[in-house]
Amino acid sequence: EDQVTQSPEALRLQEGESSSLNCSYTVSGLRGLFWYRQDPGKGPEFLFTLYSAGEEKEKERLKATLTKKESFLHITAPKPEDSATYLCAVRGFGNEKLTFGTGTRLTIIP
Amino acid sequence: GAVVSQHPSWVICKSGTSVKIECRSLDFQATTMFWYRQFPKQSLMLMATSNEGSKATYEQGVEKDKFLINHASLTLSTLTVTSAHPEDSSFYICSARRESDQPQHFGDGTRLSIL
Repeated sequence: EDQVTQSPEALRLQEGESSSLNCSYTVSGLRGLFWYRQDPGKGPEFLFTLYSAGEEKEKERLKATLTKKESFLHITAPKPEDSATYLCAVRGFGNEKLTFGTGTRLTIIP
Repeated sequence: GAVVSQHPSWVICKSGTSVKIECRSLDFQATTMFWYRQFPKQSLMLMATSNEGSKATYEQGVEKDKFLINHASLTLSTLTVTSAHPEDSSFYICSARRESDQPQHFGDGTRLSIL
């Protein structure tokens, strides 16, 4: 059974204070690892897909990296509008569905 | 691109009523759509997977007769909560996927409250 564990559960940062969110996973053959951002009362917004160890993707202040056991979402010089819950999900080969972690609730303080 | 629209965004109804939620992919054709349920401060729980023109595949523990899913076209899926009761109150979210190797794109969810 695929499993995803995200840490920390919650993170408070000062504006401009860079940090990283962790997503540890176990899956029988990784077909893709996905990062989403979810604002309160909204559906998740797609950020990145990573397919193989060593891969990196960037978008504005966010950078996602992948190893064989975990993924990191690095946030550089965050702004208050980056406050949200960040969800990690994996999909294994032969599986239609995503397995989600419980998310990291990020708060950026002005 | 990849916009998914969900309607209604919020509904309140009496116990025993049936409620229909629509999920549309606005700018792409979705071969597969998914329905999730999310409880406060918890992650998404997959309810069912549907492919256009086929019967939905339900996750274990999800009642097929209570949560009716129809995926009649490549841009529309509906979830009907039949004879809803207060315990069905939740945040329901749909997603759509263009092709098998593409990411899922989510709607903004429907807040369902059963009185």
